Amino acid sequence: AQKVTQAQTEISVVEKEDVTLDCVYETRDTTYYLFWYKQPPSGELVFLIRRNSFDEQNEISGRYSWNFQKSTSSFNFTITASQVVDSAVYFCALWGAGGTSYGKLTFGQGTILTVHP
Amino acid sequence: DSGVTQTPKHLITATGQRVTLRCSPRSGDLSVYWYQQSLDQGLQFLIQYYNGEERAKGNILERFSAQQFPDLHSELNLSSLELGDSALYFCASSGTGGAYNGELFFGEGSRLTVL
Repeated sequence: AQKVTQAQTEISVVEKEDVTLDCVYETRDTTYYLFWYKQPPSGELVFLIRRNSFDEQNEISGRYSWNFQKSTSSFNFTITASQVVDSAVYFCALWGAGGTSYGKLTFGQGTILTVHP
Repeated sequence: DSGVTQTPKHLITATGQRVTLRCSPRSGDLSVYWYQQSLDQGLQFLIQYYNGEERAKGNILERFSAQQFPDLHSELNLSSLELGDSALYFCASSGTGGAYNGELFFGEGSRLTVL
């Protein structure tokens, strides 16, 4: 069975602080994909990044960066110089390419990020 | 805008009633997925259809059913509604190949409130 754990339920920071959201996953699939989604107060799910299990390169996109470490089954997300507009719920998710995992995206419980001005 | 359209956006109904949520996938996408987001269960996969056929099933209650029509739109039917069914229901779609890489495009969701 697949499992995604986001240990931080809520994080509160002041604008311009850096913040890291943790994500740990479990899967028996050798091929899998990891995702981060953002859910702003308006409710929609916004895709942020996808990373496959064979690519452990870290990625940076503007103020966002992701650190994928297969050895620790972690896929952490860092926002540098946070802004109020970053306030949202962030979900880490896992997609397994084999067996009973196929066809479903397993989400973590989400981390509520609040950035104060 | 993801290209996935869900209607209605909001729905309020009473216990015991039946509702239908509708989803139009992105143009050309053959797979449709339904997810439920509730406060206690988080985001949970319900069911997937691919080109009209059920492809994968998650934690979908027997009171719920779904189908995908020849024009690829999908409907999620929720019956004998209970208070606990109050949730945000998301539809997502993906391209050909049954979403081999897991990239899903989510609609804005249908918020169901059962009173």
